[in-house]
Amino acid sequence: DGGITQSPKYLFRKEGQNVTLSCEQNLNHDAMYWYRQDPGQGLRLIYYSQIVNDFQKGDIAEGYSVSREKKESFPLTVTSAQKNPTAFYLCASTSGTGDQPQHFGDGTRLSIL
Amino acid sequence: QKEVEQDPGPLSVPEGAIVSLNCTYSNSAFQYFMWYRQYSRKGPELLMYTYSSGNKEDGRFTAQVDKSSKYISLFIRDSQPSDSATYLCAMKQSGRRALTFGSGTRLQVQP
Repeated sequence: DGGITQSPKYLFRKEGQNVTLSCEQNLNHDAMYWYRQDPGQGLRLIYYSQIVNDFQKGDIAEGYSVSREKKESFPLTVTSAQKNPTAFYLCASTSGTGDQPQHFGDGTRLSIL
Repeated sequence: QKEVEQDPGPLSVPEGAIVSLNCTYSNSAFQYFMWYRQYSRKGPELLMYTYSSGNKEDGRFTAQVDKSSKYISLFIRDSQPSDSATYLCAMKQSGRRALTFGSGTRLQVQP
């Protein structure tokens, strides 16, 4: 089955620690995205990548980093510089020109220990 | 003021009712409009995707876009308890990658 796999489902971070969230897709989509969702708020864009080895900052990129070494994979690192990391993180992908709809994985919930 | 406004609810309806969910927006450059359904602790699932103004129907769901009023709606006919979820509207400009989301409306369908 084609889809987007995010892991782990739950993640805990200690103070001063960097953590990496995994996102893998087997849809052969070119573009991939990371969003953050806080309670009662819409999704906010962190980073996106249109092709391998290229990515752009979204609205709330501070304290986050990404890489895109393979078409299928777009990991997100939450660094210690992100002072309020507790949230639900969602990865999405889309094909073609970018006017196609985005499809989402089932998310990773990150909490602070 | 947010670019996309959506009533957070919760909206509680009896089973079988017609549900109307709405979003208003301020950016006239938005051309693509989406509705996503999100169950608790899950990712959003695409329900409807429309371009420009007009109606689109898919089973029990109808999406309506009125660009002159900057208003979009999702209608659910014969609502079921399994429709209980948060519904997110999203929209984008042509050629832009980023989606702008509403904050979501929580729907509860009572059996």
